[in-house]
Amino acid sequence: GAGVSQSPSNKVTEKGKDVELRCDPISGHTALYWYRQSLGQGLEFLIYFQGNSAPDKSGLPSDRFSAERTGGSVSTLTIQRTQQEDSAVYLCASSLSSGSLSSYNEQFFGPGTRLTVL
Amino acid sequence: GNSVTQMEGPVTLSEEAFLTINCTYTATGYPSLFWYVQYPGEGLQLLLKATKADDKGSNKGFEATYRKETTSFHLEKGSVQVSDSAVYFCALPTSNTGKLIFGQGTTLQVKP
Repeated sequence: GAGVSQSPSNKVTEKGKDVELRCDPISGHTALYWYRQSLGQGLEFLIYFQGNSAPDKSGLPSDRFSAERTGGSVSTLTIQRTQQEDSAVYLCASSLSSGSLSSYNEQFFGPGTRLTVL
Repeated sequence: GNSVTQMEGPVTLSEEAFLTINCTYTATGYPSLFWYVQYPGEGLQLLLKATKADDKGSNKGFEATYRKETTSFHLEKGSVQVSDSAVYFCALPTSNTGKLIFGQGTTLQVKP
C-alpha cells in the first residue's frame, strides 16, 4: 500500500518568504508527527497531531512555524518569513495511534522535504 | 526528561567485519527502544525495536538488547555488507504522545 508521502521533495526559497510543506499520511493513521533533520541539531520533534488536534506543539522553534491537519488526514507545515537557519529536511511520520511509552505503534516516515533558504 | 546518547561516527568497516554502535539512554520508567536506519536517498525506517528489559530486537542480521542495568541498547551485526552503509539512529519515546527523541546518528560506511 501507499506509504507516507510529502511534497515538494525539494524547496528553495528566499529569506523572508513563506513556505508550505505537505504531508499525506498512511490512510487510517490517526497520529501524525513532524520532525526536522538538520546538520547542527540532528533529528528533532516539531509537532504531534492526534486526529485534527495538536496536543503537543512543544518542538516548534518559533511562532513563525505553524501546522494544521484537516479531515484527520493531510497536514501542512507552514513557515513564515523563512530564515537561513530554517534550512533542513522536514520529515513527516504517521502511526495507527500514538501508543504509549511502553506500547509502541511504529511510526512510518515519509521521504522528507529538503528546504533551502537562500 | 528522556534522552539518548549515541556514539559518534563516521564508522568505516570492511565487508564482513563486526559492527557495534553504542547507544545509552536516560528515561523515566521503561520505554520502548528503537533503532532506525536511513539508507542513502531514502526515508527513515524502523530497523528493530525492544519493548521491555532484556528483550532482544533483531532484523536483517542486526541485533540489540534492552539492558536496564546499563541503560544501553547497543546495535550489533556479526558481518556487515556494503549494502548496510547508512545512517543509524537510536531512539525512544519521550511521552505518551509517542514522539521520539533520537541520538545524533552514526554514519556507517562499509567498504568492499
